[in-house]
Amino acid sequence: AQSVTQPDIHITVSEGASLELRCNYSYGATPYLFWYVQSPGQGLQLLLKYFSGDTLVQGIKGFEAEFKRSQSSFNLRKPSVHWSDAAEYFCAVGLTGGGNKLTFGTGTQLKVEL
Amino acid sequence: KAGVTQTPRYLIKTRGQQVTLSCSPISGHRSVSWYQQTPGQGLQFLFEYFSETQRNKGNFPGRFSGRQFSNSRSEMNVSTLELGDSALYLCASSSQTADTQYFGPGTRLTVL
Repeated sequence: AQSVTQPDIHITVSEGASLELRCNYSYGATPYLFWYVQSPGQGLQLLLKYFSGDTLVQGIKGFEAEFKRSQSSFNLRKPSVHWSDAAEYFCAVGLTGGGNKLTFGTGTQLKVEL
Repeated sequence: KAGVTQTPRYLIKTRGQQVTLSCSPISGHRSVSWYQQTPGQGLQFLFEYFSETQRNKGNFPGRFSGRQFSNSRSEMNVSTLELGDSALYLCASSSQTADTQYFGPGTRLTVL
C-alpha cells in the first residue's frame, strides 16, 4: 500500500534561517506530489506541485521542492524563513490513474523563533 | 474565481444524530473530494465524486456517504454519529482527474 512519511513532527528554526522539510513516499507507480500548508483552524493551501518534467519546482511564498525518484523523496526548502511561515506543512501523493485520491503525510509543525 | 466554500463552518451534534455537510467547488471544477482530519489519524481520504459519480472511496464505514449534484456541488452525510467522528472535514475540488486539488476552509464537527 502507498504511504507518505514526514519524519519530522516538529521543527524550530530562527527567522532568516534556511528550512528543509522532508518527505518520502512509497508508491509502485509514478506519483504526483504536492506540498500544502495549513494555519490553525484553516483549510489547506497549495504551496507547489510536481507532475512531471523539471524535478525542481518553484512554489508560492519563496518555497521550492525537488523530486528525487532514486530516493523517493520530495523535500521542501526555503532559503530564508519568515515568522509568518509558522504553520503545519503536509506532503501529499497521488497516483497517476488513481483519480484525485491523495495520501497525506502526518505533517510537520514549523515554529519560527524571532 | 471564488474558492471552494463549505457550509456550515462549525457544527455541534450529539451521538446518534446525523449530519449533512455541503461543499461548493470552484466554478468549472467537476471533481469534489472529501477528507477527514483528526489529531490521531491525520488527513484521510473519504471519497471523490466526478460528474455526479463516486469514483474513489476510502476506508470508512457505510455511515459516511456523499453525493454530487449536476452543478458539481457536493454533500456528505454522516449517520448515527459517534464521538470519534469529531473532526475537521475538508472538501477539495479539481477540474479533472489527477489534477491539483484546491481545498476549502473545512467544517469543524464536534460530536458530544
